Amino acid sequence: SSELTQDPAVSVALGQTVRITCQGDSLRNYYASWYQQKPGQAPVLVIYGKNNRPSGIPDRFSGSSSGNTASLTITGAQAEDEADYYCNSRDSSADHPRVFGGGTKLTVL
Amino acid sequence: EVQLVESGGGLVQPGGSLRLSCAASGFTFSSYEMNWVRQAPGKGLEWVSYISSSGSTIYYADSVKGRFTISRDNAKNSLYLLMNSLRAEDTGVYYCAREGSGGYCSGGRCTHYWYFDLWGRGTLVTVSS
Repeated sequence: SSELTQDPAVSVALGQTVRITCQGDSLRNYYASWYQQKPGQAPVLVIYGKNNRPSGIPDRFSGSSSGNTASLTITGAQAEDEADYYCNSRDSSADHPRVFGGGTKLTVL
Repeated sequence: EVQLVESGGGLVQPGGSLRLSCAASGFTFSSYEMNWVRQAPGKGLEWVSYISSSGSTIYYADSVKGRFTISRDNAKNSLYLLMNSLRAEDTGVYYCAREGSGGYCSGGRCTHYWYFDLWGRGTLVTVSS
């Protein structure tokens, strides 16, 4: 089965740019989607497809992909961006069509 | 309002059963694939199960296969998860999530993608004696 690997924690200074990465074999064939989750709240979709943002998501959030790595970039991080971020994609196994990365805790300093 | 509302969680003993429901409103439920996703306390998100819009295609994570059953009633705009033989490790918040999909084609090659664009607030399941 496939796995998606994320760094457990990343920090960024207020107003600076941060990249959160997600690695996995399935990302060579499928785009990832990205979710933001704040404590006690349900996840929120922030990026999907090649680089699409749902309505209401600030344009400081962007996505990219290269080889087996998908990236979520926050350009000009704000205090309210402090949260857990999860990537998700299709598993290479036909019996397990969806898989999440382990999540990255983003701290805005 | 477009929303998903889960219900049915609670405290259950190991080996017991529970049925979760997810009520959809504000969109054409029958047109969407749906999933259950769970989150153990202090842990990350774990995909649990998928059901196609008609209910004809179903998948499960290995951790729940043979114990959980996903189903839907499009006439009632509802999604369900029947959980049997519950274990302590099944404890967590269970979310239902609406799925979207698409593809990006360039140079004769298409790359597909899936995403969960609408989530409920979740329902807490606690398996403990």
